[in-house]
Amino acid sequence: GAVVSQHPSRVICKSGTSVKIECRSLDFQATTMFWYRQFPKQSLMLMATSNEGSKATYEQGVEKDKFLINHASLTLSTLTVTSAHPEDSSFYICSARDLLGAGDTGELFFGEGSRLTVL
Amino acid sequence: GENVEQHPSTLSVQEGDSAVIKCTYSDSASNYFPWYKQELGKGPQLIIDIRSNVGEKKDQRIAVTLNKTAKHFSLHITETQPEDSAVYFCAAKSGGNEKLTFGTGTRLTIIP
Repeated sequence: GAVVSQHPSRVICKSGTSVKIECRSLDFQATTMFWYRQFPKQSLMLMATSNEGSKATYEQGVEKDKFLINHASLTLSTLTVTSAHPEDSSFYICSARDLLGAGDTGELFFGEGSRLTVL
Repeated sequence: GENVEQHPSTLSVQEGDSAVIKCTYSDSASNYFPWYKQELGKGPQLIIDIRSNVGEKKDQRIAVTLNKTAKHFSLHITETQPEDSAVYFCAAKSGGNEKLTFGTGTRLTIIP
């Protein structure tokens, strides 16, 4: 099946710094990628929809200036957590859909996640 | 918007027995229902999915059933094995909307 790669898998940073997480579709093109956040023992909460070549669409309650999303190509989306604070510590997961499977075919491929710890 | 509820939140099953996880959804326009398995520290992995034009789908030990009228769908795992232990999430997606709405998850533990 299709592969979505996230990097880094784990990152520890100091409060006030910014952290960038990359999401790449390795063997397919994705016009749309999704960023999720998952707290321990909880479900995945959609943060934003990343659209190639245009602005991301953020879910209600997600600060767009805090979580910067850039989708510069059909295979790469980045999430930057700006001025990170301990409450931003979480597991961030991206997903992508194969461009050839666009429309209503459904299947999303998920990355392995990135665990952010802010000290 | 769509609301997906999932039960039970935890489930312990003796190895070899069957496990059933149930989900309900609210949006009658939803037409795609995937199930994901998530192991500790990893991203979700699709294990089976079903579309609204089908009532049941089976893949070896895993099956999913869909009742559109009642707006609920279920995951069935037969002959459970220790490696089936994980957190399972159901999800629903409406046609024309690319977003998936996830259930709250079920932590399945297979007792050897």
